Amino acid sequence: GENVEQHPSTLSVQEGDSAVIKCTYSDSASNYFPWYKQELGKRPQLIIDIRSNVGEKKDQRIAVTLNKTAKHFSLHITETQPEDSAVYFCAASRANFGNEKLTFGTGTRLTIIP
Amino acid sequence: SAVISQKPSRDICQRGTSLTIQCQVDSQVTMMFWYRQQPGQSLTLIATANQGSEATYESGFVIDKFPISRPNLTFSTLTVSNMSPEDSSIYLCSVVSQAQETQYFGPGTRLLVL
Repeated sequence: GENVEQHPSTLSVQEGDSAVIKCTYSDSASNYFPWYKQELGKRPQLIIDIRSNVGEKKDQRIAVTLNKTAKHFSLHITETQPEDSAVYFCAASRANFGNEKLTFGTGTRLTIIP
Repeated sequence: SAVISQKPSRDICQRGTSLTIQCQVDSQVTMMFWYRQQPGQSLTLIATANQGSEATYESGFVIDKFPISRPNLTFSTLTVSNMSPEDSSIYLCSVVSQAQETQYFGPGTRLLVL
């Protein structure tokens, strides 16, 4: 089955700087890659996703890049703010529309230092 | 996105007992899933709840321990049977709606087994 590795496990960034979280996956048939943000005591919230026919997607300060050949994808957060502090999870699935089961990475605890 | 609710939000149970968790969505969804998130860990899929038929379980999870029902397109239950302290986790349902084509999570049920 699918295996998703995520790095780093913890990341501290000065406010205003950029943060990058990387994930690799094992199943070459995976074609949908969402990112979730989970604040303490709350549910995971989808922040951005990318499908295999796209190499990059951007939404304001958040961007995701995908390299299908290398089987890795990354989350980029620019101009970080204190409210970006949370645990971020990457995931992968075989379906184009997220309706197949998601395999999650191990998570990255991001701390923004004011 | 669909509004998802779970009951109970939290519970403290004695070992050997069972707890049924409910997941209710305010609109019809195509797929419903149940995940477990152990303290400080990532999310692990327990099973896919299939409407009108038996759930599809992931490796390591069995129906006798985690019976699941999904009588219609807006409701599902997960039962944690014969609980032990190792079952202490957050249990989350997630849904995929045809309109959204992405997976959204319920607020979770925080379970502590003594």
